[in-house]
Amino acid sequence: QVQLVESGGGVVQPGRSLRLSCAASGFTFSNYGMNWVRQAPGKGLEWVAIIWYDGSNKYYADSVKGRFTISRDNSKNTLYLQMNSLRAEDTAVYYCVTYRAGHYFDYWGQGTLVTVSS
Amino acid sequence: QSALTQPPSASGSPGQSVAISCTGASSDVGGYNSVSWYQQHPGKAPKLMIYEVSKRPSGVPDRFSASKSGNTASLTVSGLQAEDEADYYCASYAGGNNWVFGGGTKLTVL
Repeated sequence: QVQLVESGGGVVQPGRSLRLSCAASGFTFSNYGMNWVRQAPGKGLEWVAIIWYDGSNKYYADSVKGRFTISRDNSKNTLYLQMNSLRAEDTAVYYCVTYRAGHYFDYWGQGTLVTVSS
Repeated sequence: QSALTQPPSASGSPGQSVAISCTGASSDVGGYNSVSWYQQHPGKAPKLMIYEVSKRPSGVPDRFSASKSGNTASLTVSGLQAEDEADYYCASYAGGNNWVFGGGTKLTVL
């Protein structure tokens, strides 16, 4: 079955960097677009970034544009999110999510918590 | 991109039906047949319940249905059961390679 396992979360100071990873299994990773979606504590969901199945296109929410970079390694079935210049408002659980051509998100990982605090 | 508007809460007794609205704009909900709905239990990851406005993935009970009219989408849960108590989020493609979620609705089964 589809498994998405995020890692790399933790506590980081404002202005510092962190890289999240998402290990995928149970499906042909290289055939799927992938996303990061986040959820601040007690808040709703926010789409963060998307990468095409082959890595050819990447798009970001305005709130992270220029600071976050989404990437993937299809040989390792792994999705990444490089987060630079972190701010307190980036504190959230970050979910790795598969993307379907009908513009929806079907499989979700369990998430990894990123806390930005001094 | 502004979040879609959902009521903060909804409730119903077991066996009853409840509808949750999701209001956007012509640039998102009204402009695309790309509304989806997600169920999230406390401490768990969201789960896809509806995609492309009204389609149900395999395994989702047919008690869950959805529709769209203009800039507003709706999720209806019929025959409410205790396990339906959760947060529900709508989402829509918003054009220009952007996606937007609703603020979420907490569904309580009385």
